[in-house]
Amino acid sequence: QVQVVESGGGVVQPGGSLRLSCVVSAFTFSRFDMHWVRQAPGKGLEWVAFIRYDGSNKYYADSVKGRFTISRDNSENTLYLQMNSLRAEDTAVYYCTKAVGSGWPFDYWGQGTLVTVSS
Amino acid sequence: QSALTQPPSASGSPGQSVTISCTGTSTDVGGYNYVSWYQQHPGKAPKLMIYEVSKRPSGVPDRFSGSKSGNTASLTVSGLQPEDEADYYCSSYAGSNNLVFGGGTKLTVL
Repeated sequence: QVQVVESGGGVVQPGGSLRLSCVVSAFTFSRFDMHWVRQAPGKGLEWVAFIRYDGSNKYYADSVKGRFTISRDNSENTLYLQMNSLRAEDTAVYYCTKAVGSGWPFDYWGQGTLVTVSS
Repeated sequence: QSALTQPPSASGSPGQSVTISCTGTSTDVGGYNYVSWYQQHPGKAPKLMIYEVSKRPSGVPDRFSGSKSGNTASLTVSGLQPEDEADYYCSSYAGSNNLVFGGGTKLTVL
């Protein structure tokens, strides 16, 4: 049974920082590219960031470029998202997802972790 | 990159078919056969229903099918069942290591 479990969400003031974690089990984490996708309350999905299976390539949505950093620790089956200079518009549920192939379809999702940016 | 355009709502009676559209441009939907569709029930994570325009992951009923023509992709749900009531999102690879989603369609089973 594949498990994808995010943590680290919470309430943070504008301009603050937060680090999200995602622990994966029951598939060979080190073989797969991973992504973060977010969903603002009552809104649609937005792709946030990608990291190659070996960490060699990282890509970001324009809305978070320069502020967010994706990373991974394959020895710990863990994906991270370091979020700096947070803004109110970053308020969302953040999902950790696994891509199943070309074109980035996401076949496994965590339950999400809520980040609220508010003073 | 602009979001893909989906109708905000769609509906059908049990047993009927309904089609949800997803319109993009030649730089995303029209440029790649990498359209995916997700189903999301309230409070739950999205679930992959269709990938690469028309492929179904293992376990997804064959009542769900996908297609594409030009810059518009479509998801058809045949033989509607009450449990199909959910939000549906399309996504497309958009080149330059970028992915765009549609705004979502709320499907109501009458």
